[in-house]
Amino acid sequence: SYELTQPPSVSVSPGQTASITCSGDKLGDKYACWYQQKPGQSPVVVIYQDSRRPSGIPERFSGSNSGNTATLTISGTQAMDEADYYCQAWDSSTAVFGTGTKVTVL
Amino acid sequence: EVQLVESGGDLVQPGGSLRLSCAASGFTFSTYWMSWVRQAPGKGLEWVGNIKEDGSEKEYVDSVRGRFTISRDNAKNSLYLQMNSLRAEDTAVYYCARHLDHGIAVAPTFDPWGQGTLVTVSS
Repeated sequence: SYELTQPPSVSVSPGQTASITCSGDKLGDKYACWYQQKPGQSPVVVIYQDSRRPSGIPERFSGSNSGNTATLTISGTQAMDEADYYCQAWDSSTAVFGTGTKVTVL
Repeated sequence: EVQLVESGGDLVQPGGSLRLSCAASGFTFSTYWMSWVRQAPGKGLEWVGNIKEDGSEKEYVDSVRGRFTISRDNAKNSLYLQMNSLRAEDTAVYYCARHLDHGIAVAPTFDPWGQGTLVTVSS
């Protein structure tokens, strides 16, 4: 079955840039999206179709996808961005989530 | 406002059954694919399965295929998850989520999600 691998944790200082990777076989041939989940809350999509932002999502969130890696970048990270982030893609009509990354804003 | 509200979560013994419901409002339910996604305590997200707008197509993750059944009642704007032969590893918060394809049907996102309902499988 298809797998998406993320680093368990990423730490970033306020105002700096956080990058979260998502690795999967030929992931660049698929569309990747990203979800943010804060403690006790349901996930919210922050990037879809590799790099598009839903309305209401701050411009500091951006995405890319090429080769075997999709990347979520948070520029000028704020304390409110501290959360778990999951990538997700579709493979053979089934949805696959990444292993998840906890972003800590120090 | 687009809203999804799950219900039906409970404590159930291994081997038991449970039916979850998801009430949709604020959008035309009958025109959207829907999915169930679960999250074990302290763990990541796992897609459970989905159902087409008219209920004619369904897909499941291997770990639940043959035990879980997704259905919908478009007249009642409701989505269901019938869970049989439950195991301890099925313990999780179960979310329902709407598919939003943004013009690319093969790669929809899950938007929005409900608040989730907790299923605990334990003796």
